[in-house]
Amino acid sequence: DTGVSQDPRHKITKRGQNVTFRCDPISEHNRLYWYRQTLGQGPEFLTYFQNEAQLEKSRLLSDRFSAERPKGSFSTLEIQRTEQGDSAMYLCASSFDGVNQPQHFGDGTRLSIL
Amino acid sequence: QKEVEQDPGPLSVPEGAIVSLNCTYSNSAFQYFMWYRQYSRKGPELLMYTYSSGNKEDGRFTAQVDKSSKYISLFIRDSQPSDSATYLCAMSAYSSASKIIFGSGTRLSIRP
Repeated sequence: DTGVSQDPRHKITKRGQNVTFRCDPISEHNRLYWYRQTLGQGPEFLTYFQNEAQLEKSRLLSDRFSAERPKGSFSTLEIQRTEQGDSAMYLCASSFDGVNQPQHFGDGTRLSIL
Repeated sequence: QKEVEQDPGPLSVPEGAIVSLNCTYSNSAFQYFMWYRQYSRKGPELLMYTYSSGNKEDGRFTAQVDKSSKYISLFIRDSQPSDSATYLCAMSAYSSASKIIFGSGTRLSIRP
């Protein structure tokens, strides 16, 4: 068990560019979550998957955002046409399915929009 | 009004003191309550997890939930400099393996 892994740790890009982040969950965890955290705030829920199925999406996930988990293992989060307001820490978490299964977080990808 | 309110601090206490951290919430559907600790440039780390009302103790940490008052607390006994971090309360209506709503976090500093 190597924990939740996120790549890259830091991404700097110009406004208008597309970016893609990757998350590798703890092996055998069938649920995977994406959150966004801005400075001085707690994480805000974006979306989550059970295996390859995307079960819930937040209103925060505009049409410029898309998340996939094609084989039920790793996941990608893509942001198209990035805006200044997209600058944040993007956190991934994973868990087993079930009522009392805690979510384990990765250390996030910090996105900076120039 | 946010669903979960948490005093952002910062809170500074001397080493060895008892620390009390609190959150209030407005959604009576919340049943699962968690406390996460987050160090700078790291992801949140689960400290305590409680279902419904009551107390739970784990080492130096005690979590309390009062659903009638919509109020949760985390107590840290014999605080150590290594406890200096941001503490996030979090809660969920359906299970811990679904959408979690976080508070904004309280920055805690333990002075040696």
